[in-house]
Amino acid sequence: SYELTQPLSVSVALGQTATITCGGHNIGNKNVQWYQQKPGQAPVLVIYRDNNRPSGIPDQFSGSNSGKTATLNISRVQVGDEADYYCQVWDNSIAFFGGGTKLTVL
Amino acid sequence: EVQLVESGGGLVKPGGSLRLSCVASGFTFSRYTMNWVRQSPGKGLEWVSSISTSSTYIYYADSVKGRFTISRDNVNNSLFLQMDSLRADDTAVYFCVRESYSSGPKGFDLWGQGTLVTVSS
Repeated sequence: SYELTQPLSVSVALGQTATITCGGHNIGNKNVQWYQQKPGQAPVLVIYRDNNRPSGIPDQFSGSNSGKTATLNISRVQVGDEADYYCQVWDNSIAFFGGGTKLTVL
Repeated sequence: EVQLVESGGGLVKPGGSLRLSCVASGFTFSRYTMNWVRQSPGKGLEWVSSISTSSTYIYYADSVKGRFTISRDNVNNSLFLQMDSLRADDTAVYFCVRESYSSGPKGFDLWGQGTLVTVSS
């Protein structure tokens, strides 16, 4: 089993940059994906392979990954960015998700 | 339209069985590894199982191994999850999910809307 640790919640002021972390053993050696999930909706992929944005995802979203921590940054945060965010990796052909972080915009 | 549509969820008693289905449209289903991911009410995401394009490689989470069986029908663009010996902690929304790959893994890039499975007496 592979454990991914995320903060339960992150708060950020409107228009500022939100930073959400995802910790795991040697996570820097893995490809990390990030998903956004709004209430009552299916998750949406926002970052793949650490720092790549799928087509249609705005450049507000960026990622990095090194050592024991992967990071999702959301710049110029808007009310519409309020959601749960999950990190995800593969380990021995098994997918693991972090516990999720609730982003609140103040 | 590119989409995944799940069906088959419902209320089942502990120890019972249920078969979930997912129909894909708008893309070449046979070219993608497919997955099931579930989410218990108010909880986080949990990966359940994956199946490769030609069903050669199949993997399960420890929590469902020996009880759930994933399969696919590339002719009819369908993914299935046979769930046996169901327990209360299997209660969740089950998502059908496409896994993308191009010069490396690209993540779960397409999700269905999910189907709710409730295990209760």
